[in-house]
Amino acid sequence: EAEVAQSPRYKITEKSQAVAFWCDPISGHATLYWYRQILGQGPELLVQFQDESVVDDSQLPKDRFSAERLKGVDSTLKIQPAELGDSAMYLCASSLGDRLAKNIQYFGAGTRLSVL
Amino acid sequence: GEDVEQSLFLSVREGDSSVINCTYTDSSSTYLYWYKQEPGAGLQLLTYIFSNMDMKQDQRLTVLLNKKDKHLSLRIADTQTGDSAIYFCAMGGAGNMLTFGGGTRLMVKP
Repeated sequence: EAEVAQSPRYKITEKSQAVAFWCDPISGHATLYWYRQILGQGPELLVQFQDESVVDDSQLPKDRFSAERLKGVDSTLKIQPAELGDSAMYLCASSLGDRLAKNIQYFGAGTRLSVL
Repeated sequence: GEDVEQSLFLSVREGDSSVINCTYTDSSSTYLYWYKQEPGAGLQLLTYIFSNMDMKQDQRLTVLLNKKDKHLSLRIADTQTGDSAIYFCAMGGAGNMLTFGGGTRLMVKP
């Protein structure tokens, strides 16, 4: 069964360092999402791509976060510099992106970030 | 924006039914979803319901949608210890984005 792949699974870093997370969506999925899930809360959307274009990044803290999906397939989310409040689970999801369909989003296992 | 609320915690005995509730503010969602998250893992889609339906049944799962009261519920029949997890409701909004509730932690006692 096709899955959304994310790496690394865990990342520990010191504040002010740079970190990067990688996501490979399910083959053929045009839409890719990055979510942040703080412990004890639901996921919140950071950025949404349609192919290689950003559709929504209104909740992305652009002073320190960046995301790209250069070839419209896999994606990288970067934080520089990391702050203590960035400690969270970062989830990637993908979907076919068909507006007429139920647009089910499939999630990866996530990257748990701890900033010390 | 959309506000989605869930109770934090539910405890049931194995074999009983579980009912997890969700309320929302924006009635424009076309699809409403239930996801399950086990410790340290991503989210797994359990089921979904189209907004023009009142009920959907899928094996042990029953979803009820009350559009008037903006209330969504998930009933799990014959709850098993393997059902212990966090359950999230999510609303499908404009641009295919999802808005999640805060999650309900279900604990199943043997």
